[in-house]
Amino acid sequence: SQTIHQWPATLVQPVGSPLSLECTVEGTSNPNLYWYRQAAGRGLQLLFYSVGIGQISSEVPQNLSASRPQDRQFILSSKKLLLSDSGFYLCAWRTSGADEKLFFGSGTQLSVL
Amino acid sequence: EDQVTQSPEALRLQEGESSSLNCSYTVSGLRGLFWYRQDPGKGPEFLFTLYSAGEEKEKERLKATLTKKESFLHITAPKPEDSATYLCAVQPSGYSTLTFGKGTMLLVSP
Repeated sequence: SQTIHQWPATLVQPVGSPLSLECTVEGTSNPNLYWYRQAAGRGLQLLFYSVGIGQISSEVPQNLSASRPQDRQFILSSKKLLLSDSGFYLCAWRTSGADEKLFFGSGTQLSVL
Repeated sequence: EDQVTQSPEALRLQEGESSSLNCSYTVSGLRGLFWYRQDPGKGPEFLFTLYSAGEEKEKERLKATLTKKESFLHITAPKPEDSATYLCAVQPSGYSTLTFGKGTMLLVSP
């Protein structure tokens, strides 16, 4: 069966420090992968999505970037974190076919201080 | 612009008190409407996908329905373990991404 792994679960970083969050999917090949952010009191905001290795689409201009170095690996990065980057970051993958579903990882709670 | 509005923002029920959550949406063409359950500090858990008006799906005490403008998540005789935030999302036709509402926080008291 397919599983999605996301780490770390919690992260506290100072302003101006770099960021790297990693997500991997098991049990499927060539998945569509997504990074969402959930801020307090706000809905899930799509940040990036990828339909294949090296293919990244950005939904919102911001201080973050994403990369997909391998088929089942999706990385969210920043060179210098801002206070406004705090939030709950979620990786997700989408099944294909007639009954599409979006499955989420367990999330990373990022606090930028 | 695609929009998803969920109401109410928060709902408090007594155990056994049935109710409904609403998801109103505006989209040029609907490929699918999704319902998720999210517990605090966890990723959303998939519940249902609805594709066309009139469609209904059930899972335990939950039933989701869909019209051309909105979806309802009916909760029958809820239990405290049903307490969570329920998220609604739409996938427009021709797109592979979902637009989410802000969710309804449900609290069921024993």
